[in-house]
Amino acid sequence: EVQLAESGGGLIQPGGSLRLSCAASGFTVSSDFMSWVRQAPGKGLEWLSIIYPDGATYYADSVKGRFTISRDTSKNTLHLQMNSLRADDTAVYYCGASDRPNLGDYWGQGTLVTVSS
Amino acid sequence: EIVLTQSPATLSLSPGERATLSCRASQSVSSYLAWYQQKPGQAPRLLIYETFNRATAIPTRFSGSGSGTDFTLTISSLEPEDFAVYYCQQGFHWPTFGQGTKVEIK
Repeated sequence: EVQLAESGGGLIQPGGSLRLSCAASGFTVSSDFMSWVRQAPGKGLEWLSIIYPDGATYYADSVKGRFTISRDTSKNTLHLQMNSLRADDTAVYYCGASDRPNLGDYWGQGTLVTVSS
Repeated sequence: EIVLTQSPATLSLSPGERATLSCRASQSVSSYLAWYQQKPGQAPRLLIYETFNRATAIPTRFSGSGSGTDFTLTISSLEPEDFAVYYCQQGFHWPTFGQGTKVEIK
């Protein structure tokens, strides 16, 4: 059974950094298209980043240069390093997996990031 | 960026009724259109991918159609668990979502 579990969210001051993790089971993160998507409180969904099986990475303009997606194959875990955080980065962050690009077959339960002083 | 516009914003229906949700793209997305269901406090759940393909374990009452810029999600007969928010998402270029349609109990 495919399972994804995010962690690492919390309260952080503007300008700070945070690293989110997504532990995967039931499949190998390096064999799938892995993504991060976020949802601001009461708002819709925004696709942030994708890492392909070949290691190529892609980002939304809103996070390019501030966020970095990576994976740890030894721990079967996906990461999102978030730097220079702003108030409008406040959201629930979900990791997703698919055997197709630009799709999310499976999602974790999400982790809340709150950027506030 | 491809903008997806969903209509209506809210759909008020009774269990057993048919629901028809629309999604219009600002430019062609070929057949790369997916639909997700989201309930409060939960992650999105993939229902339909590439316009009409049902995802794993999705009931047959959910169906998708369309092409190019105009797409439809149909729920043939609403079950109590189907009342939720539905998002369309295109994967032709950088993925984007529509703003959502809330299906509520009338």
